[in-house]
Amino acid sequence: AQTVTQSQPEMSVQEAETVTLSCTYDTSESNYYLFWYKQPPSRQMILVIRQEAYKQQNATENRFSVNFQKAAKSFSLKISDSQLGDTAMYFCAHGDSGAGSYQLTFGKGTKLSVIP
Amino acid sequence: NAGVTQTPKFRILKIGQSMTLQCTQDMNHNYMYWYRQDPGMGLKLIYYSVGAGITDKGEVPNGYNVSRSTTEDFPLRLELAAPSQTSVYFCASGGWDWGRSAYEQYFGPGTRLTVT
Repeated sequence: AQTVTQSQPEMSVQEAETVTLSCTYDTSESNYYLFWYKQPPSRQMILVIRQEAYKQQNATENRFSVNFQKAAKSFSLKISDSQLGDTAMYFCAHGDSGAGSYQLTFGKGTKLSVIP
Repeated sequence: NAGVTQTPKFRILKIGQSMTLQCTQDMNHNYMYWYRQDPGMGLKLIYYSVGAGITDKGEVPNGYNVSRSTTEDFPLRLELAAPSQTSVYFCASGGWDWGRSAYEQYFGPGTRLTVT
C-alpha cells in the first residue's frame, strides 16, 4: 500500500517570504502522479500543483513550484512571495495509475500560517 | 461549468438512521471517488468508480454503499449510521487534461455529517 508522509504538522512564514513544505511517499509503482492540494478554512480542496512521475522537469504554477526527487521519493512544495491568502492546510497526495483507478493517498497535512 | 457538486452541505443523523449523499459532476469524467476526512487527518478513500456501472472498495468501505448508473452521478449511501461515521465527506471526479497530458482530480465542497 502507498503511504504519504508530511513531517511538518505546522509551519509559519512571513508575508512575501518563501516557504517549503516537505512530503515523502512510498510506492512500488513506476508510473504515478503527485499532487499538492490546499484546504482553506472553507474546507474546499483546491488543486495547487501536480507532477507526473515520468517527467523529470519540476512542475511550476505561478508562485508554486515543486522539487521532485524520484529516487528519494520526495516531493516538496515551494511557495514564493507568500501571501495572506496562502494560509491553509496543505495536503500532499500520491495517485497510482497502475491499477487504472488513479485513487489518491493523502498525507496528514501541514498547517501553514502566513504572518503579516 | 459547475464542476463537482454535493448535497447536502450539512446533516445531523441519529444513530441507526440512513441517508444518501449526492454527488454530480459535469466534466464528463470517467473516474469518481468518495473520501472522508476526520479531524486533523488527511482524506481516506471510501469507494471509487472507473465508469458507469463499475464500483470498487477503497480503504474504509464498511458501513457505506455506492452505485454509478450514469457518468454524472455517484451517490454514497450510509446504512445504520454510527457515531464513527461523523466526518466530512468529499466527492471527487478525475479525468485527463489533454492539453497538459496529465491526470487531474477535482473535489466537491464537502458534506459535514454528524451522527449523534
